[in-house]
Parts: sequence; C-alpha cells; structure tokens
Amino acid sequence: NAGVMQNPRHLVRRRGQEARLRCSPMKGHSHVYWYRQLPEEGLKFMVYLQKENIIDESGMPKERFSAEFPKEGPSILRIQQVVRGDSAAYFCASSPSRDSEAFFGQGTRLTVV
Amino acid sequence: QKEVEQNSGPLSVPEGAIASLNCTYSDRGSQSFFWYRQYSGKSPELIMSIYSNGDKEDGRFTAQLNKASQYVSLLIRDSQPSDSATYLCALIPSGGYNKLIFGAGTRLAVHP
Repeated sequence: NAGVMQNPRHLVRRRGQEARLRCSPMKGHSHVYWYRQLPEEGLKFMVYLQKENIIDESGMPKERFSAEFPKEGPSILRIQQVVRGDSAAYFCASSPSRDSEAFFGQGTRLTVV
Repeated sequence: QKEVEQNSGPLSVPEGAIASLNCTYSDRGSQSFFWYRQYSGKSPELIMSIYSNGDKEDGRFTAQLNKASQYVSLLIRDSQPSDSATYLCALIPSGGYNKLIFGAGTRLAVHP
C-alpha cells in the first residue's frame, strides 16, 4: 500500500507563473488536508477536502490559491501568479475518516524566483 | 496568544540523557494531541498521540498530558544522535475533525 504521494517534489516557478501541486492520498483514504510550512516555522493548515467537496478552507489565502479533490484523480493545490512569499514546503496528508490519524506525504518544495 | 506554543530551542542534550520537550495550548476544548518528529527537509512523522490525562509510554518515548494546565510534554529517554530533529506539537481543536494545529517546533540536538 503506497503512502501519500506528492509531486513534484521540487518546483521552481518565476514570479507571476502558476504552480500546480498534486497529492494522491493513500488507497482507501477520501479525506485530504493541505498544509504549508514556511522556512523555520511549523506547519499551517490550509484546506480540508473530501471527494469533490471543500470542507474547510479557513487557512487558504483569499486570493490566488485554490484547491480541488475531484472524483477521479489526485487532489490539486493551485497557486496563480506566484510571488516570492509563496516559497515554502507544501504538505498533503490523508486519512480514511474525518477523525482518524492522518498520514503525510513527502511534500512539494516550491521556490519562486 | 498562539494556539500552540513551543520553545524553539535548540535544546541540546548529551547522548544517553533524557530530553524533555514542552508544549502549551490555548483551546480548552482540544481532546487529541500529537508529537511529530521532522528531520530537516523531510515530512513530519507521527511518533506519539495522547488523548487523556496522564502518561503514555512507547519505547523510549513518554507523552504527558495535563488538560487542566493545558500542557503537553514529550520525554525521550536514552537520547541518541539520531533523535536530533525538530519536534512538532500538534492538536486537533474542538470541532471534531482531523485539522491539525501545529506549534512552531523545538529543535533537539543530541551530541555524542
């Protein structure tokens, strides 16, 4: 049973470009969470999704950021018109239910140049 | 006040000693608490979870929870250089689903 798969592991974007981060949850997991970790800081919750639904997006910046978890395929975190401050590690976690242990992927390290 | 507070460290202990990591939190309704270990450049790895007051032991690790004082701690016995990492305290806030709130982490350095 493969773990939570995130890709790409490293992503470099120029200011103004779009970044797409993908997360495939563990088999049987329908709950996905995205977190962001800025350098030297803890992880900050961004968004919680179930298949086709956004349950809680209270941690998402109001502009430029969006997330989806379609019926088929991975969850996508999309950042439009990236700025240097978006440079961070983005981690995805998945769980089989809303109150069970979540497992983290290896993260995508986004660098905006 | 931050929701989860940790001393950033670094906490430096000699090999074989007990490392004591502490965490306080503000949400009295929180029921689930976790300690994650994160090596530099890697993802967080769950090492302990605790849900009720008292101590919970797993190998060299002991988690302690005091809900009245809103305090969680992690003890690492017989510390090894391989324990050198950042330890993140996290909780699930009152609300019922698995949305983790993390502290900023404490850096632990175990020196031979």
